[in-house]
Amino acid sequence: DVVMTQSPLSLPVTLGQPASISCRSNQSLVYSDGYNYLNWFQQRPGQSPRRLIYRVSVRDSGVPDRFSGSGSGTDFTLKISSVEGEDVGVYYCMQGTHWPPTFGQGTKVEIK
Amino acid sequence: EVQLVESGGGLAQPGGSLRLSCVTYGLGFSVFEMNWVRQTPGKGLEWISYISGSSATIYYADSVKGRFTISRDNAERSLYLQMNNLRAEDTAVYYCNAGGLRFFDHWGQGTPVTVSS
Repeated sequence: DVVMTQSPLSLPVTLGQPASISCRSNQSLVYSDGYNYLNWFQQRPGQSPRRLIYRVSVRDSGVPDRFSGSGSGTDFTLKISSVEGEDVGVYYCMQGTHWPPTFGQGTKVEIK
Repeated sequence: EVQLVESGGGLAQPGGSLRLSCVTYGLGFSVFEMNWVRQTPGKGLEWISYISGSSATIYYADSVKGRFTISRDNAERSLYLQMNNLRAEDTAVYYCNAGGLRFFDHWGQGTPVTVSS
């Protein structure tokens, strides 16, 4: 199975400051159609996961534009340009290129 | 608005069975590929099963193969997971998910399963 490794696992941030989460895979996530099937999910406390971004950089409807995704191959990044209180939670990357789909271990974002 | 509502979780004894259900709203259910995903504090999020829109294609994670059965009823807009021969390590929150193996678009609120004597 493809192993997804996130860093850091804990990310204390100051309101209004940027935040960045790294996700690395142990195999390239470039599929035969040229796309990287890398998703980012947000899980707020007490809630189920919610997809924020799919195929590396495409934001879901309703997701604020302070969230952005980038990367290709084995290295990916989720950035929050200016952290707000509602961004507190755990963020997961997930690959859908290889079977079975696998998730990173999660990065907990909290306010300093 | 898309909603996925799971039910059927609870307490089961080792070796016992449970059947999870997921009814969907606001989704063209019959064309959506569906998954079950579970979450534990120790192992995080784990994909466990997939079913295509027509039920023609089904996959399972090795951890549940031979014990769990996924199914769907498109007329009822519902997804199911029959869980047999439950083990302590199956204790988790189980999520219904719509979107197939690559996208995982929509998630339910989850239903907790505890396997304990």
